[in-house]
Amino acid sequence: QKEVEQNSGPLSVPEGAIASLNCTYSDRGSQSFFWYRQYSGKSPELIMSIYSNGDKEDGRFTAQLNKASQYVSLLIRDSQPSDSATYLCAVNHNYGQNFVFGPGTRLSVLP
Amino acid sequence: DGGITQSPKYLFRKEGQNVTLSCEQNLNHDAMYWYRQDPGQGLRLIYYSQIVNDFQKGDIAEGYSVSREKKESFPLTVTSAQKNPTAFYLCASSIFPGPGQETQYFGPGTRLLVL
Repeated sequence: QKEVEQNSGPLSVPEGAIASLNCTYSDRGSQSFFWYRQYSGKSPELIMSIYSNGDKEDGRFTAQLNKASQYVSLLIRDSQPSDSATYLCAVNHNYGQNFVFGPGTRLSVLP
Repeated sequence: DGGITQSPKYLFRKEGQNVTLSCEQNLNHDAMYWYRQDPGQGLRLIYYSQIVNDFQKGDIAEGYSVSREKKESFPLTVTSAQKNPTAFYLCASSIFPGPGQETQYFGPGTRLLVL
């Protein structure tokens, strides 16, 4: 059974701080990794994807992947109240059809 | 204006009733997916389809059925056999389930409630 785990939170950070969200996965054969943001009552929207070990930056967001340790993280710099949402980690095995989603981490950015 | 549409936004089901949720995409994506999300939980895969006239069961297919007669449409029927259907239903699509093309994009969702 492929599993993806995330700390459910809530994770509270002050405005302007760095928020760090973590995700671990069980399937060592996983190939691609995704972070989605989901506002309450809305559908998930893609933040970024990462395929290779190391860091990938996109604006205020940085995804970090370590396949040896089987974790992927998302850093949000200069956090804003509008970043308050649930962040879902998704893992795809061997570019197959199935994403496995974690339960999500609820982030609260305090003004 | 490309995207994924789902209708209705809210759907009410009576005991023993089958209901159908609509999902349409004009992104020319080959693959389409249906997920269920329960409060405070992640997404669970119900069914997926990689090409027209073909679909596969996901992790929680019991009590659900789908069809894929057109590339742009992937309706989901929640049958009376699904005893706990109250949830947020999300449809997604991807270009193709292959390297670099498997990113899934989501529609706005349908919230199903039981009367």
